[in-house]
Amino acid sequence: GIQVEQSPPDLILQEGANSTLRCNFSDSVNNLQWFHQNPWGQLINLFYIPSGTKQNGRLSATTVATERYSLLYISSSQTTDSGVYFCAVVISDSWGKFQFGAGTQVVVTP
Amino acid sequence: DAGITQSPRHKVTETGTPVTLRCHQTENHRYMYWYRQDPGHGLRLIHYSYGVKDTDKGEVSDGYSVSRSKTEDFLLTLESATSSQTSVYFCAIRQGAGDTQYFGPGTRLTVL
Repeated sequence: GIQVEQSPPDLILQEGANSTLRCNFSDSVNNLQWFHQNPWGQLINLFYIPSGTKQNGRLSATTVATERYSLLYISSSQTTDSGVYFCAVVISDSWGKFQFGAGTQVVVTP
Repeated sequence: DAGITQSPRHKVTETGTPVTLRCHQTENHRYMYWYRQDPGHGLRLIHYSYGVKDTDKGEVSDGYSVSRSKTEDFLLTLESATSSQTSVYFCAIRQGAGDTQYFGPGTRLTVL
């Protein structure tokens, strides 16, 4: 099956810093989403981004489908950005089934 | 939150007992999914449904069964719970552009 690898596995940031999270995938995909799991366990959609670039406030994402990777940028990080960031992909003809990466644990310190 | 609720939110049970988790949605979505989340593994698909009485297995389906007798409810059953099934279980629905999925709040299950 498709492999989804996220890096780095852990990230510690000082408030106000910028960071880049990476998601590599091993096959062509129909869909790619980024999620944030907050410290209370809730999974929040950030981006639906099978290709191209999107921005939402301090967050932006870029997917280069031909090179099989996606990047999530966090700018001017805040303590509320802490949590785990997951990349998930859907392959063709798969009933929308997601394959998740293992996540990047982000801690933003004051 | 796409109108998804899960019940119970927390459960502690003993090895060998049956357990049923419920996912309820209010927006008539066709596709529903059950995932489990364990440290170091992200989320892994257990079972999914593409309509009433239409279900199929995911990546980690052994020891689990599902049922969907009406659109709004997707039930996950552990026939005889084992300690390896201690996990956080998430339900999801699919809607909108492409395959965008939205997740419920999760159920934390502990099997002693």
